[in-house]
Amino acid sequence: EIVMTQSPATLSVSPGERATLSCRASQSVSSNLAWYQQKPGQAPRLLIYGASTRATGIPARFSGSGSGTEFTLTISSLQSEDFAVYYCQRYNNWPPWTFGQGTKVEIK
Amino acid sequence: EVQLVESGGGVVQPGGSLRLSCAASGFTFSSYWMSWVRQAPGKGLEWVANIKQDGSEKHYVDSVTGRFTISRDNAKNSLYLQMNSLRVEDTAVYFCARDYSVSSHWGQGTLVTVSS
Repeated sequence: EIVMTQSPATLSVSPGERATLSCRASQSVSSNLAWYQQKPGQAPRLLIYGASTRATGIPARFSGSGSGTEFTLTISSLQSEDFAVYYCQRYNNWPPWTFGQGTKVEIK
Repeated sequence: EVQLVESGGGVVQPGGSLRLSCAASGFTFSSYWMSWVRQAPGKGLEWVANIKQDGSEKHYVDSVTGRFTISRDNAKNSLYLQMNSLRVEDTAVYFCARDYSVSSHWGQGTLVTVSS
């Protein structure tokens, strides 16, 4: 089974600053990588799919990059509504789709 | 507007059964794969199962294979998850989600608690 590892577990960032989140796959997932944002008590919200394509309605401050085993989600200038938990998900070679353990972005 | 509304969660003893439902609206339900994803309290996300448009193909995560059954009724725009032989570790919020792999539409979830 492909294991997805996210780092760091917690990222403390000041509003307006840049945040860089990492996701590593234990073997290549090509570009079959998505990023989700989740706030407490809410369902996940799709941000990025295909490693770098923003989902509908997602602000341009969110960008994804990478392929193979190394991926990055960058939030260029953190807004108050961006403080949340972020998950990466690989979706190649069922079964099953697997998620990383999450990175919590908190206010510094 | 796409809406997914889960129901059927509750408290059940280990070894018991529960059936979750997901009512879909705002899109042509019969045209989409549908999925169940769960999240244990304070933990990350786990993809549980998905089902093809006509129900002819289903996939499960190993930990629920043989215990859970995903199904759908396209006439009722509804998705189901029959959960048998429940274990304490099945305690989670269960979300239904549209699509085969990457989901842009999720319900708000229903809480299943397995406890004696």
